[in-house]
Amino acid sequence: DAGVTQSPTHLIKTRGQQVTLRCSPISGHKSVSWYQQVLGQGPQFIFQYYEKEERGRGNFPDRFSARQFPNYSSELNVNALLLGDSALYLCASSSEDRGWGTQYFGPGTRLLVL
Amino acid sequence: GNSVTQMEGPVTLSEEAFLTINCTYTATGYPSLFWYVQYPGEGLQLLLKATKADDKGSNKGFEATYRKETTSFHLEKGSVQVSDSAVYFCALSDPSSGGSYIPTFGRGTSLIVHP
Repeated sequence: DAGVTQSPTHLIKTRGQQVTLRCSPISGHKSVSWYQQVLGQGPQFIFQYYEKEERGRGNFPDRFSARQFPNYSSELNVNALLLGDSALYLCASSSEDRGWGTQYFGPGTRLLVL
Repeated sequence: GNSVTQMEGPVTLSEEAFLTINCTYTATGYPSLFWYVQYPGEGLQLLLKATKADDKGSNKGFEATYRKETTSFHLEKGSVQVSDSAVYFCALSDPSSGGSYIPTFGRGTSLIVHP
């Protein structure tokens, strides 16, 4: 089975712009989570979705939003980009049979805000 | 709230040396514990996990034992290789957090192995 896929792999934006990141989970996984990883730090939780419903939200401003589609893929949107939004954005999927807390990560989208 | 504390890196070792990376946690419930590894330019990969006290997770020569009495989950490997050079993250997932299983990660420990 294919792993978690994310697109695009890299992205350069300017302050004030908006960005949409995409994620496809492992086949059969119904839960998707989004994380922000700043250089030298661990992943910081942004959102978790299960069956198209938001199951958790981290301590991020309302400029960050997400959704999950009927095929369990997901999008993360960030509006009014700031320089501090530059980071690696990771998507992870999980399933009940492997344990909901076990996260399977994609390769990430590296966002640079100029 | 939940938290994970890892030893600061970088940890620098020679090939075939013994590795220990310390990890301690605080949690409100009975968490599952994980080690993830991140190679340069990649996402995180699950290395091993343990779901209850005294469980030992193991994979690729790495081991960690869930110690509830000391709230620890230290990562060990008997003989490291250059290819083990990466950043290692300790994490916990606590279903008591409203049933949402949202993981909490440590800051990561960089391991550098020299030939």
